[in-house]
Amino acid sequence: ELKVEQNPLFLSMQEGKNYTIYCNYSTTSDRLYWYRQDPGKSLESLFVLLSNGAVKQEGRLMASLDTKARLSTLHITAAVHDLSATYFCAVDITSGTYKYIFGTGTRLKVLA
Amino acid sequence: NAGVTQTPKFQVLKTGQSMTLQCAQDMNHNSMYWYRQDPGMGLRLIYYSASEGTTDKGEVPNGYNVSRLNKREFSLRLESAAPSQTSVYFCASRPGPQPRNEQFFGPGTRLTVL
Repeated sequence: ELKVEQNPLFLSMQEGKNYTIYCNYSTTSDRLYWYRQDPGKSLESLFVLLSNGAVKQEGRLMASLDTKARLSTLHITAAVHDLSATYFCAVDITSGTYKYIFGTGTRLKVLA
Repeated sequence: NAGVTQTPKFQVLKTGQSMTLQCAQDMNHNSMYWYRQDPGMGLRLIYYSASEGTTDKGEVPNGYNVSRLNKREFSLRLESAAPSQTSVYFCASRPGPQPRNEQFFGPGTRLTVL
């Protein structure tokens, strides 16, 4: 069974702290995506990781991909309240079916 | 450029009623997708269309049908709604099937089945 697991599921952190969200997946894939969802809103694309060793950074967020370990990380540096949201990773299936499998999501709350 | 649009935004149905959720994109994308998101959960794929003229089942297709009307439009139909279909439904599109880059999501339809 194809699985994409994120941990932690819930994360409450103080402003200014650093933390990492992990995304593990069970299938072969060389493409992984991170999305952000604000409460009651749609999904917004954050990062597209297209190969082993890919690293992308935008502001206080940095994402990386290790296809051999089947692991992606989303690192948060010096968190601010505006980063409070739910973060999803999604794995692109390489079998030719052209579909994603989404992770369970990590609900992040940054406390002032 | 409106991106991905969905109608309606909200809908309340009674058990057994039918309805069609509409989705359209103006980005000239080939692939389109329908997902459902239940409270506190991730997205589960219902159906997708890799290109115009093709549709395939996703993880949770039971109780739903789809139509890829043309390159722009992809509709989702509930023939006989059940309370278990209460959810938020998202439509998405991507340029694919090649290149396999990110999907772009619509604003969602919040459906309640009583």
